[in-house]
Amino acid sequence: SQQGEEDPQALSIQEGENATMNCSYKTSINNLQWYRQNSGRGLVHLILIRSNEREKHSGRLRVTLDTSKKSSSLLITASRAADTASYFCATDDDSWGKLQFGAGTQVVVTP
Amino acid sequence: DTEVTQTPKHLVMGMTNKKSLKCEQHMGHRAMYWYKQKAKKPPELMFVYSYEKLSINESVPSRFSPECPNSSLLNLHLHALQPEDSALYLCASSQVPSENSNQPQHFGDGTRLSIL
Repeated sequence: SQQGEEDPQALSIQEGENATMNCSYKTSINNLQWYRQNSGRGLVHLILIRSNEREKHSGRLRVTLDTSKKSSSLLITASRAADTASYFCATDDDSWGKLQFGAGTQVVVTP
Repeated sequence: DTEVTQTPKHLVMGMTNKKSLKCEQHMGHRAMYWYKQKAKKPPELMFVYSYEKLSINESVPSRFSPECPNSSLLNLHLHALQPEDSALYLCASSQVPSENSNQPQHFGDGTRLSIL
């Protein structure tokens, strides 16, 4: 079952622009993770933010977490055509490895 | 290239066939997972193995039968599937969550299954 929602469902931008997507969830969590999925491929782990962290960076990625609002955002700066993919947030709320995925945001970056 | 290898990449089978999906990882992970993903939907967890023992079955129909013969291999045996079982089946691995919290899962590229 899905833990929460992501918005927007789809995002179309031009190369060089920033892309922001949001994720909301419902229960308390250990961590929140973001994954990327290119068409026809598996999921690639991008970044994990723990429940006691508020912001994390990795290259052109910036993730924020607001546990009081039960929400997270993923910012991709200076987007490239290669960033075209679906992006999923996933929450880990127990110690059994049961990730709860959001519905995903489909990002298209045009040259 | 991913560190989790799934075979075959594509599989077409009839509803009376028996087939198996295979997954292999050499990262020393002792937790392995099967997910089902329909088009334009997020992955849905099916099974979790921890130290080669089934720890979670998310109420999956018995026509799907998982097997973990050793710490590197995970199989999914298929029998008498239905057309609605057509999907991308993803395997993933990680360190055992109860011993190593806050670790990501590593996914293979999946097997695209079509049931005729």
